[in-house]
Amino acid sequence: KNEVEQSPQNLTAQEGEFITINCSYSVGISALHWLQQHPGGGIVSLFMLSSGKKKHGRLIATINIQEKHSSLHITASHPRDSAVYICAVPHVTMNYGGSQGNLIFGKGTKLSVKP
Amino acid sequence: DGGITQSPKYLFRKEGQNVTLSCEQNLNHDAMYWYRQDPGQGLRLIYYSQIVNDFQKGDIAEGYSVSREKKESFPLTVTSAQKNPTAFYLCASSPGLADYEQYFGPGTRLTVT
Repeated sequence: KNEVEQSPQNLTAQEGEFITINCSYSVGISALHWLQQHPGGGIVSLFMLSSGKKKHGRLIATINIQEKHSSLHITASHPRDSAVYICAVPHVTMNYGGSQGNLIFGKGTKLSVKP
Repeated sequence: DGGITQSPKYLFRKEGQNVTLSCEQNLNHDAMYWYRQDPGQGLRLIYYSQIVNDFQKGDIAEGYSVSREKKESFPLTVTSAQKNPTAFYLCASSPGLADYEQYFGPGTRLTVT
């Protein structure tokens, strides 16, 4: 089973700062997901990436398949970015090397951006 | 608007009662999932369904049951056998299994006393 580790667990930043959240996983994957959970509990998918880098507005996600590591960056952070950011990878069954189709989630990084 | 709906948002039950959480999607997705979230822990998979009339246990299926009689609907029943049912429950769907983006509902917060 894939293990997913995120760091840091909690992060406080001042508005305008550059934010980096890290995710490491133990088993090779085909794609990695970054999700955002708002204080009310709703979750939205930010990125799904299998190589290189993706950018959406002020959010940038990168992945290094060889090192089994991904980062989520937020440029010019804003208080509305305050949320929990979650990394997730497919569940890979070691015996057959295939994905069961569901995701395994990190515990999340709670980001608080102060004005 | 296409999306996933869960109802109710908050649910309170007495210990020993079964309770059913609703999940409906109009995205025409084949796969649907139920996750449980507890404070300080990542989401954990309860059940998932790849197609109508088929579903598989996830990591923490004990004390839960599901059905998938229609493509759009995937209700979750929390039975009295679930030892710690108080949690936040999230439903999700995706076009298929594996390597597809998942779309999440708003969640149901269940409190059992």
